[in-house]
Formats: sequence, C-alpha cells, structure tokens
Amino acid sequence: AQKITQTQPGMFVQEKEAVTLDCTYDTSDPSYGLFWYKQPSSGEMIFLIYQGSYDQQNATEGRYSLNFQKARKSANLVISASQLGDSAMYFCAIILTGGGNKLTFGTGTQLKVEL
Amino acid sequence: DTAVSQTPKYLVTQMGNDKSIKCEQNLGHDTMYWYKQDSKKFLKIMFSYNNKELIINETVPNRFSPKSPDKAHLNLHINSLELGDSAVYFCASSQPSAGDTQYFGPGTRLTVL
Repeated sequence: AQKITQTQPGMFVQEKEAVTLDCTYDTSDPSYGLFWYKQPSSGEMIFLIYQGSYDQQNATEGRYSLNFQKARKSANLVISASQLGDSAMYFCAIILTGGGNKLTFGTGTQLKVEL
Repeated sequence: DTAVSQTPKYLVTQMGNDKSIKCEQNLGHDTMYWYKQDSKKFLKIMFSYNNKELIINETVPNRFSPKSPDKAHLNLHINSLELGDSAVYFCASSQPSAGDTQYFGPGTRLTVL
C-alpha cells in the first residue's frame, strides 16, 4: 500500500522568503502521480501542482515548484516569495496509476507566513 | 462558473437521524469521489464512481450509501448518524485522461449532536 509522510506539522516563514515543505512517499508501484493541495482556513481544497513519476523535469506552477527526487522518494514543495495569503495547511498526496484513482494524503503541514 | 459544488455547506443534526449531501460537477469529468476529513484534518477516501459505476468502496460503514444518478452528480446518504460521523465531507471529480488531478468541492461540515 502507498504511504505519504509529512514530518513538519507546522512551519513559519517570513514574507517574501522561500519555504520548502517536505514530503516523502512509499510505494513499490513504478507508475504514480504526486500532488500538492492547499487548504486555507476557509476550508476548501485547492490543487497546486502535479508531478508524474516518469516526468523528467520538476513541475512548476507560478511560485510553486516541486522538488522531485525519485531515488529518495521525496516530493518537496517549494514556495518562492511567500505571501501572507500562503498561510494555510498544505497536503501532499499520491495516486497510483491504475490504482482506482485513490488519492492517499499525508497528515499536512500548517504554514504561517509572517510579516 | 463553480466547478464542483456541494450542498449543504453546513449540516447540524441529532444522533440517529438520516441525512444526505449532494454534489455536482460541471467539468465534464467521468469520475467522482467522496472523501472524509476528520477533526485532525486527515483526509481519507470513502467512495469513487466512474461514469455512475462504483469503483472504490473503502472500509466505510454500510450506513453510508453513495448514489450517482448521472456522471455529473454523486450524492452521499448517511443513515442513523453517530457522533463519530462528525467531519468535513469533500466531493471531488477528475478525468483520468487528464492526469488524474482531482478537483474538490468546498466541503460539507457535518456536526452530529
């Protein structure tokens, strides 16, 4: 069975600084996808970024980039130039291709951006 | 132009009651899901439907029954509500041909008293 581990329950970062949120995963399946979602205090789940296991390049979406290190089974999220609006809970998740499209989530990291 | 919508947003009810949560998506996706987020913010899949057919049924009490009248709708009916059912329930949808990215609804906060 697949598993996601997020070891940072809480993180602080100063506005305009970059921050890295850690995510490691465990699966024996060679074909999978990795996702990051943001959950602000208002409660909705917002898709941020996706990385496929066969993608050669790290995914980027605006200020978000995914530092994908396949051999280490890590998929860290990097947020550049943090903004106050980035304060939220961030979830890493994995999906196995052909695994019924089931997203398995980590426990999340609460990020607080300070002035 | 709401993509995935859920009603109601909040649901407060007494133990033992039966309640339903509705979900609709206008993204044209074939697959829809129900997830439960507990008080510790942990998200876990409950059900998944592909084109009205049940494809994932996790170990969920049979008091929970999903129904998909068409591929744009997936409702969740809960019988004999218990205190432990209090949680936020999220509906999501995806199109497998488009990278399996799941788009979530706003969530329904269920409180059982």
